[in-house]
Amino acid sequence: DQQVKQNSPSLSVQEGRISILNCDYTNSMFDYFLWYKKYPAEGPTFLISISSIKDKNEDGRFTVFLNKSAKHLSLHIVPSQPGDSAVYFCAATDSGNTPLVFGKGTRLSVIA
Amino acid sequence: DAGVIQSPRHEVTEMGQEVTLRCKPISGHDYLFWYRQTMMRGLELLIYFNNNVPIDDSGMPEDRFSAKMPNASFSTLKIQPSEPRDSAVYFCASSFNVETQYFGPGTRLLVL
Repeated sequence: DQQVKQNSPSLSVQEGRISILNCDYTNSMFDYFLWYKKYPAEGPTFLISISSIKDKNEDGRFTVFLNKSAKHLSLHIVPSQPGDSAVYFCAATDSGNTPLVFGKGTRLSVIA
Repeated sequence: DAGVIQSPRHEVTEMGQEVTLRCKPISGHDYLFWYRQTMMRGLELLIYFNNNVPIDDSGMPEDRFSAKMPNASFSTLKIQPSEPRDSAVYFCASSFNVETQYFGPGTRLLVL
């Protein structure tokens, strides 16, 4: 039973264009969401987060959007750069009462 | 700070052998997490500790897996006996809370 789903295993985008990575969740108790980025042979690193009291959080080229009614969030990267090529994991928790639940990840390839 | 340190980085062993993975968390972090990453299941939480005490081990696959945290600066994950289906990348992570976790580089385990 997957509580956090990333339905696209991979995504290919041209350099300079927008990358949109999607994530769906089923547990209505989740109220804090994070994106992690993982390069080969390294551990995941925290990228950006959003609380359920917001519907958008922006950090430079990275923006996360949250649609609570649809139980959906997305990560936008604009403009995409080759260095963004990595696996992106979506994660969720309920106010820190339970550990993070991760999706399976989406492999982003940014083509120069 | 050196970040979360894991050893070994790579381990190749034969079925039936005992495997011990090691982790040194970031100093001052109260939480320590062990994850397993596979293509099929993504990033799964195996067990986590708070102040050296195991809080939730419901993700541990079976009795062949055990984890200890004898002090705040060291944890082990042991598999005995190991099986080919245990082949995966094992990550250790630490944090001040259950949300923003800092991951080690992982141990890539191959059981032949």
